[in-house]
Amino acid sequence: SQTIHQWPATLVQPVGSPLSLECTVEGTSNPNLYWYRQAAGRGLQLLFYSVGIGQISSEVPQNLSASRPQDRQFILSSKKLLLSDSGFYLCAWMGGAGNSPLHFGNGTRLTVT
Amino acid sequence: TQLLEQSPQFLSIQEGENLTVYCNSSSVFSSLQWYRQEPGEGPVLLVTVVTGGEVKKLKRLTFQFGDARKDSSLHITAAQPGDTGLYLCAGAAGNEKLTFGTGTRLTIIP
Repeated sequence: SQTIHQWPATLVQPVGSPLSLECTVEGTSNPNLYWYRQAAGRGLQLLFYSVGIGQISSEVPQNLSASRPQDRQFILSSKKLLLSDSGFYLCAWMGGAGNSPLHFGNGTRLTVT
Repeated sequence: TQLLEQSPQFLSIQEGENLTVYCNSSSVFSSLQWYRQEPGEGPVLLVTVVTGGEVKKLKRLTFQFGDARKDSSLHITAAQPGDTGLYLCAGAAGNEKLTFGTGTRLTIIP
């Protein structure tokens, strides 16, 4: 069966520090991979998605970047965090296009102080 | 940009009551998905509706896709405390991206 791992679960970082969140998927090949950010109790904002190794699509211009160094690994990064980067970050995978569902990790709660 | 507005934003009702949550857009979607999210966890898929006018039932939950495939509703009968959570609709436009709704926070009071 497929599983998705996202870490860390919580993170407190000072303004101006770098960020690296990692997500890995097991049990599937060539998944579409996604990074979402969620404001408290609200909907999900798509940040980045990838349909293959080295292929990154950015949805919102901002202080963050994403990379996919391996088929089942997706990394969210920042060189210098801003206060506004605080939030709940969710990684997800999809097995196909169109009507396929998203399978989410358990998220990372990032607090920038 | 495709937007999905959910209403109400917050809903708090007594156990045993019925409720309906709405998901509306001006855009047409090839399918509409509903997710439920618990605090500190990722959303989990409840159902996918594909055909305009389609109705799907999942125990006490009834999902309907609008005839024009621009809107959807979720109806819960005899709500239970275990139904508490954040409900999210998400529309697919036939590509690899999903657009999520604004969310409905549901609280069922025992």
